Amino acid sequence: DVKVTQSSRYLVKRTGEKVFLECVQDMDHENMFWYRQDPGLGLRLIYFSYDVKMKEKGDIPEGYSVSREKKERFSLILESASTNQTSMYLCASSSTAWGGRTNADTQYFGPGTRLTVL
Amino acid sequence: QKEVEQNSGPLSVPEGAIASLNCTYSDRGSQSFFWYRQYSGKSPELIMSIYSNGDKEDGRFTAQLNKASQYVSLLIRDSQPSDSATYLCAVTRGGNTGTASKLTFGTGTRLQVTL
Repeated sequence: DVKVTQSSRYLVKRTGEKVFLECVQDMDHENMFWYRQDPGLGLRLIYFSYDVKMKEKGDIPEGYSVSREKKERFSLILESASTNQTSMYLCASSSTAWGGRTNADTQYFGPGTRLTVL
Repeated sequence: QKEVEQNSGPLSVPEGAIASLNCTYSDRGSQSFFWYRQYSGKSPELIMSIYSNGDKEDGRFTAQLNKASQYVSLLIRDSQPSDSATYLCAVTRGGNTGTASKLTFGTGTRLQVTL
């Protein structure tokens, strides 16, 4: 089975703190994604990475940065947390290859981190 | 117009009935289509993927795709209370060129299966 893990299930931080969310996948997937999910707004893409050290902005990158130093690990960084960043954060991974254990394009999600910024 | 539209529900069906969930999308370049199930407080879990026009069946689930009408649906036969969840429709974004295929998600349809 595909396994995507996230460093914390619940996190409470204060305004202005620097926050690190980590994601690890064990499927040797090339692609990794960070989303946030808010009621009524659905999943919105923050950043994604298609290779080690490669990253691209998603739909809502403001206030966030990312790091991918190893293929299996993708970190989301909130440089200075604000209350409007309170949300559920979801990491996902996908392959670019067809066949094998997973098909290309199919994204597999981690359990999520519910972040509260006070 | 939203890129991926779903009725938010709740869609209420009795146990044992067929639940029909619908999704329309606006990007004609979309090539891959997915249904995810999400229980409250949990992350999305892949149910079905479909890539070509027609029906694809997997157990109690059938996905239907009509690219001409830009419509994808999910049928759940013999609905069970454990099927009560939010179902998210996702489509790949047209124009993905060599980098990661990004998905656009609908906001989901909440399904309630009643006893």
